[in-house]
Amino acid sequence: SQKIEQNSEALNIQEGKTATLTCNYTNYSPAYLQWYRQDPGRGPVFLLLIRENEKEKRKERLKVTFDTTLKQSLFHITASQPADSATYLCALAGSDAGNNRKLIWGLGTSLAVNP
Amino acid sequence: EPEVTQTPSHQVTQMGQEVILRCVPISNHLYFYWYRQILGQKVEFLVSFYNNEISEKSEIFDDQFSVERPDGSNFTLKIRSTKLEDSAMYFCASNGRDSSYEQYFGPGTRLTVT
Repeated sequence: SQKIEQNSEALNIQEGKTATLTCNYTNYSPAYLQWYRQDPGRGPVFLLLIRENEKEKRKERLKVTFDTTLKQSLFHITASQPADSATYLCALAGSDAGNNRKLIWGLGTSLAVNP
Repeated sequence: EPEVTQTPSHQVTQMGQEVILRCVPISNHLYFYWYRQILGQKVEFLVSFYNNEISEKSEIFDDQFSVERPDGSNFTLKIRSTKLEDSAMYFCASNGRDSSYEQYFGPGTRLTVT
């Protein structure tokens, strides 16, 4: 069955450092992969999308890489700030997206940036 | 900035009762979704809706669940006879243009079934 795994342990880093979060998947061929941020008790907030034919995408302090051979995406936050503390979710959509773009989700990685 | 809204923020109901969760997606969006998240677990897809019909539903979305877009702005999820295991956060999401795949989520409705 399809499986998406993210760093199971919470990540604690010092302010100013780069946070790197991992998303691995099996038994799936996603057309695109997305990263969302979720704060406690709130809905996911879209951050970045990367397509299967793209290797890397950047937006301000965020960078995503996508390796379809390794079936892995890495999500980087550079110059991290305490306000970046949240849970980060990886979500995949299939190659037959069409009119249905349902997302399949990882459990998320909790990031704490310490001042 | 346009946003997805959901009401109520918290709904407490007794087992066996019907509940209706309401969502107002972003106004020019075309694709609509319901997801749920049990406390401490993954976000799970329930159903997607496009062009006034369900485009896909998950195994969770059984005969007890239904969705409607009654008036061009609201998008509702009805659970006919709630069970204890329906207790979760329910999120509505939408996305827009054909080439746009990012989804915009509402703040969620916390459903507690007692």
